[in-house]
Amino acid sequence: DGGITQSPKYLFRKEGQNVTLSCEQNLNHDAMYWYRQDPGQGLRLIYYSQIVNDFQKGDIAEGYSVSREKKESFPLTVTSAQKNPTAFYLCASQVNYGYTFGSGTRLTVV
Amino acid sequence: AQKVTQAQTEISVVEKEDVTLDCVYETRDTTYYLFWYKQPPSGELVFLIRRNSFDEQNEISGRYSWNFQKSTSSFNFTITASQVVDSAVYFCALSEARSARQLTFGSGTQLTVLP
Repeated sequence: DGGITQSPKYLFRKEGQNVTLSCEQNLNHDAMYWYRQDPGQGLRLIYYSQIVNDFQKGDIAEGYSVSREKKESFPLTVTSAQKNPTAFYLCASQVNYGYTFGSGTRLTVV
Repeated sequence: AQKVTQAQTEISVVEKEDVTLDCVYETRDTTYYLFWYKQPPSGELVFLIRRNSFDEQNEISGRYSWNFQKSTSSFNFTITASQVVDSAVYFCALSEARSARQLTFGSGTQLTVLP
């Protein structure tokens, strides 16, 4: 079955460390997105990519980085510059306004 | 810029009551899509409906119905005869043609259905 796989489901990070969240899709979608969700809030766009080797900043890109070397993969790195990284992260892909979401990664700073 | 407002932060109803979740949006685009998603405690987003800007017909799917009114920029969601399993956070979202089709979400409404 086609879909989006996010891993890991839970991730713990020590302060000052970079961590990378994985997002893989087998839907052949060109467009992919990363969203952040804080408790009691909606989803906010971090980065998006409309095609391989191209990506754009969203509303809250500071402290994050991405790459899009393959159509199937859109990993998100949370850098030490992100001061408050504890959140729920969702990856999505899209074609013709049909969006598919992964099951999310819950990141906690310890 | 596109914006979605869900003014109701939390709603509690007793089982079998009807409940309406409000959604107001802002956009300058003439081509856009509106969505509703359900988020249970596990966190995944469950797609409920998509509506494009050229189709103002209301839609009914079982106990769910949606009222799209361009005149008031609203896309409200009604659950009839609510059930405990309807308890979740519900998000309204907007995607514009000229914003790389990125979804802009409202802040969500926490619905609690009491037995």
